[in-house]
Amino acid sequence: GQQLNQSPQSMFIQEGEDVSMNCTSSSIFNTWLWYKQDPGEGPVLLIALYKAGELTSNGRLTAQFGITRKDSFLNISASIPSDVGIYFCAGATNFGNEKLTFGTGTRLTIIP
Amino acid sequence: DSGVTQTPKHLITATGQRVTLRCSPRSGDLSVYWYQQSLDQGLQFLIQYYNGEERAKGNILERFSAQQFPDLHSELNLSSLELGDSALYFCASSVGNLEQFFGPGTRLTVL
Repeated sequence: GQQLNQSPQSMFIQEGEDVSMNCTSSSIFNTWLWYKQDPGEGPVLLIALYKAGELTSNGRLTAQFGITRKDSFLNISASIPSDVGIYFCAGATNFGNEKLTFGTGTRLTIIP
Repeated sequence: DSGVTQTPKHLITATGQRVTLRCSPRSGDLSVYWYQQSLDQGLQFLIQYYNGEERAKGNILERFSAQQFPDLHSELNLSSLELGDSALYFCASSVGNLEQFFGPGTRLTVL
């Protein structure tokens, strides 16, 4: 099935550092969402974006809906140990259903 | 806790068998979605139900089927199981918009 490309695939950072990751698609999406998944758990919704160019924050997390509608970005400021996990982007076209297409994921590891 | 419940948490079975996974959506949510997550495929959308009716279909095999009952809980039936069906199966629910809330998943192991 179709998947969105996320980069980087994995990140190794120190606590307190800022993190940036992105998600790109060959198709246009009308909605972008960002999820975080901890090992053995279901994905947790972090941020939802509904308009091209929109910038939305949730605490230390900030996400942007790319102007071309083919990409989205997630930034985490001042990382803390509980930020460890896999971050997924998801896109939707909204055409009569709510099917989400998920990205390949970015695995975030914090080095002690 | 998302409010979405899934049972069982773990399931171990043999090839050729049939299993049923169960999902209860968040209170008030009419839409239920099923996803498969395997190591090499990421999260793949299988099927969506809205208020008892099938609304969207993804890459769901013919050996798999689902339904949503009048009380809005949903079941995913997997039959003639193969080794490659081993994966995490997630259910998600929403009020009918795009903000989907995921359950804890069922880990299926086919031996």
